[in-house]
Amino acid sequence: ETGVTQTPRHLVMGMTNKKSLKCEQHLGHNAMYWYKQSAKKPLELMFVYSLEERVENNSVPSRFSPECPNSSHLFLHLHTLQPEDSALYLCASSQGLTSAYNEQFFGPGTRLTVL
Amino acid sequence: GQNIDQPTEMTATEGAIVQINCTYQTSGFNGLFWYQQHAGEAPTFLSYNVLDGLEEKGRFSSFLSRSKGYSYLLLKELQMKDSASYLCAVRDLGGKLIFGQGTELSVKP
Repeated sequence: ETGVTQTPRHLVMGMTNKKSLKCEQHLGHNAMYWYKQSAKKPLELMFVYSLEERVENNSVPSRFSPECPNSSHLFLHLHTLQPEDSALYLCASSQGLTSAYNEQFFGPGTRLTVL
Repeated sequence: GQNIDQPTEMTATEGAIVQINCTYQTSGFNGLFWYQQHAGEAPTFLSYNVLDGLEEKGRFSSFLSRSKGYSYLLLKELQMKDSASYLCAVRDLGGKLIFGQGTELSVKP
């Protein structure tokens, strides 16, 4: 248990569906992240929020839309996804972005399958 | 560009020592992290190096040479539960973590 929870843990959706992934951190951190983890590929950073403001959008297609309503919650809204978007989506949080030793704490991920 | 290389797979025997190497080329450097990830679980933090040298934490140690763009994770007295993926990640000056593809370690009896 890392103090970061994600729901749902598994999600199967069609290409025309709209769904949302939720992340909540109970660590009092002020930065939150979305990553995509595909088989045999490195973790890819998607979005970074610091103090509820988006500070990084790593060339992610617009069919992925993040939302950070407060420092404890992060959402990833999904619409008209493609089968190649099937992956494990990981949320993480940290205290600050660049200060020494501020490791990121990861949630267990949402396993997404797009049919 | 940004490039982090680590072996894809390694196999070792229970009770032995294994060293997982990581080489990196990044446009900025603000620390190197090692994470452990068991199948179906969240990556968990193992170690952090920002200065050259060895950091020891129980059975796990991590080494960094900034001039060579090189790090390794050393696991001693291997246990079956150490079978996992080990992720090397470099933090850039903006705080972003750049990950290698991970090394899948299998510990055999």
